[in-house]
Amino acid sequence: DAGVTQSPTHLIKTRGQQVTLRCSPISGHKSVSWYQQVLGQGPQFIFQYYEKEERGRGNFPDRFSARQFPNYSSELNVNALLLGDSALYLCASSPKSGPEGQGAGNTIYFGEGSWLTVV
Amino acid sequence: AQTVTQSQPEMSVQEAETVTLSCTYDTSESDYYLFWYKQPPSRQMILVIRQEAYKQQNATENRFSVNFQKAAKSFSLKISDSQLGDAAMYFCAYRTTTAYGGATNKLIFGTGTLLAVQP
Repeated sequence: DAGVTQSPTHLIKTRGQQVTLRCSPISGHKSVSWYQQVLGQGPQFIFQYYEKEERGRGNFPDRFSARQFPNYSSELNVNALLLGDSALYLCASSPKSGPEGQGAGNTIYFGEGSWLTVV
Repeated sequence: AQTVTQSQPEMSVQEAETVTLSCTYDTSESDYYLFWYKQPPSRQMILVIRQEAYKQQNATENRFSVNFQKAAKSFSLKISDSQLGDAAMYFCAYRTTTAYGGATNKLIFGTGTLLAVQP
């Protein structure tokens, strides 16, 4: 089975532009979350979606938005790009969330990430 | 708010030797999950081992084991018989729970420990 897939793998944008990153979860996984990893730091939580609803949001400005589609894939959008948005954006999926998500089987799996460089 | 601290920015170990990576966390929750993730140069996050807070027994996965001290809020990773392929950045992560007790996909990461394995 395919793992979590993300696209594009690398991209370069100019300050002020907008970017859309895409993620396809593992087949059967209904929960998708997004993380930002700046060089030299641990990943920071941005969003979680479960069954197409936002279930959590990290401390990021409104320039960051996301959505989940009926097939459970997801897009992360960032508007008005700043130099500080340059980072690796990681998508993660898991089978369930919330009260149904207890148990060791509800493992979170990560994709290989999308490298965003803002110049 | 929960926090995760990794106080060792870099560690080095000889091939075939044992190394322990430290992690402490702070939380007011009684039920949670703890993880160690490995991030090689490819940047994909790979789950190494997980621990449910309600389990007193320390988790073990082949050469990897943890020392979970709930009262001390400590969660260290021991790698036995270190191999060259173990060289990577290692992140300790805490998984939050919802108001209803279920697991979310929000992971709180430490700043990481870069492990070098010397031949």
